[in-house]
Amino acid sequence: GAVVSQHPSRVICKSGTSVKIECRSLDFQATTMFWYRQFPKQSLMLMATSNEGSKATYEQGVEKDKFLINHASLTLSTLTVTSAHPEDSSFYICSAVPQAGPYEQYFGPGTRLTVT
Amino acid sequence: AQKVTQAQTEISVVEKEDVTLDCVYETRDTTYYLFWYKQPPSGELVFLIRRNSFDEQNEISGRYSWNFQKSTSSFNFTITASQVVDSAVYFCALSESFTSGTYKYIFGTGTRLKVLA
Repeated sequence: GAVVSQHPSRVICKSGTSVKIECRSLDFQATTMFWYRQFPKQSLMLMATSNEGSKATYEQGVEKDKFLINHASLTLSTLTVTSAHPEDSSFYICSAVPQAGPYEQYFGPGTRLTVT
Repeated sequence: AQKVTQAQTEISVVEKEDVTLDCVYETRDTTYYLFWYKQPPSGELVFLIRRNSFDEQNEISGRYSWNFQKSTSSFNFTITASQVVDSAVYFCALSESFTSGTYKYIFGTGTRLKVLA
């Protein structure tokens, strides 16, 4: 149980375009989801906390207009990287917390974004 | 402030050697959780263990064992008889108190383990 999927697993886009990454909790409902970014050989950096039905809470230094987060349902959160640039290339990981517990994060497999 | 320190950036061992990955944490919460995750080259985080702050019992799971010591704020991870498949980056993480409703994790910087055949 507690499976989280991400789509796509890999994406290549051109500079200036936008790309959307989906995070789904497959077998549970999640009021809270998290988005992380991981640069090569570095740790996970929390970007934002996504709560169903409300605005996401962004960590300091993360541009909310650049990284749009929508959590429209209890099983889906999306991260849209707007006007992507090569420096946005990274590994993006989402996680979800089951509404009914246990109250821990279940991680998706990650999305590798390459901006050319 | 809460913090997780994994001082070992990279460790190389020869297959069948035992290896211990260190994790030291800081928190003012009395209730917290500690985690270990494995991240193989594929990138997907693999959950290894969760331990709550009230349970100081050591845990063993196959070749893996964990030593939780509140007195030294450490939660170390030992792999016995290491195998090449153990090669990965290992992250230690600390959760803030769930009573705050945030469920945030603080990750260490990770330890890259290379097991050589």
